[in-house]
Amino acid sequence: GENVEQHPSTLSVQEGDSAVIKCTYSDSASNYFPWYKQELGKRPQLIIDIRSNVGEKKDQRIAVTLNKTAKHFSLHITETQPEDSAVYFCAASRPGSARQLTFGSGTQLTVLP
Amino acid sequence: DAGVTQSPTHLIKTRGQQVTLRCSPKSGHDTVSWYQQALGQGPQFIFQYYEEEERQRGNFPDRFSGHQFPNYSSELNVNALLLGDSALYLCASSWGQGVIQETQYFGPGTRLLVL
Repeated sequence: GENVEQHPSTLSVQEGDSAVIKCTYSDSASNYFPWYKQELGKRPQLIIDIRSNVGEKKDQRIAVTLNKTAKHFSLHITETQPEDSAVYFCAASRPGSARQLTFGSGTQLTVLP
Repeated sequence: DAGVTQSPTHLIKTRGQQVTLRCSPKSGHDTVSWYQQALGQGPQFIFQYYEEEERQRGNFPDRFSGHQFPNYSSELNVNALLLGDSALYLCASSWGQGVIQETQYFGPGTRLLVL
């Protein structure tokens, strides 16, 4: 089955700096890659997603890049703010009737004021 | 427009007991997926329900079972609870009839503690 590895497990940045979180996946058939943000005690919330027919997607300060050949995708957050502090999860899904999400192990991002 | 709701929010059980968790999907969604999130880990897929049937199952034992009702709401049942079943149980809803992958929206979860 699919396996998703996520790095780093913890990341501290100064407010205003950029943060990058990287994930690799094992199943070359995977074609959908969402990123979720989970604040302490709250539900995972989708922040951005990308499908395999595009290489990059941007939404304001957040961008995701996908390299299908290398089977890795990355989350980029620019101009970080304290409210960006949370755990970020990447996930992958392959085509099929259920399209279950396989998650990475998460990155605890701390933005220092 | 209500989002995904789950009940109860917290639950404490003892080993060997049985538990039922409930989920109501987001309005307009017909598919419910259940995930188990252990402390400090990413969510792990348990199973998915669509048209009142289990469409796919992850690597979880038969002690985990579910049901989907005609109004698309769903239950997760866990029998013979083990200490290792202590986790946050997340329900995610989506629209299951599309050709492409649809976004899964998560509920707030039920935190289960097994003593």
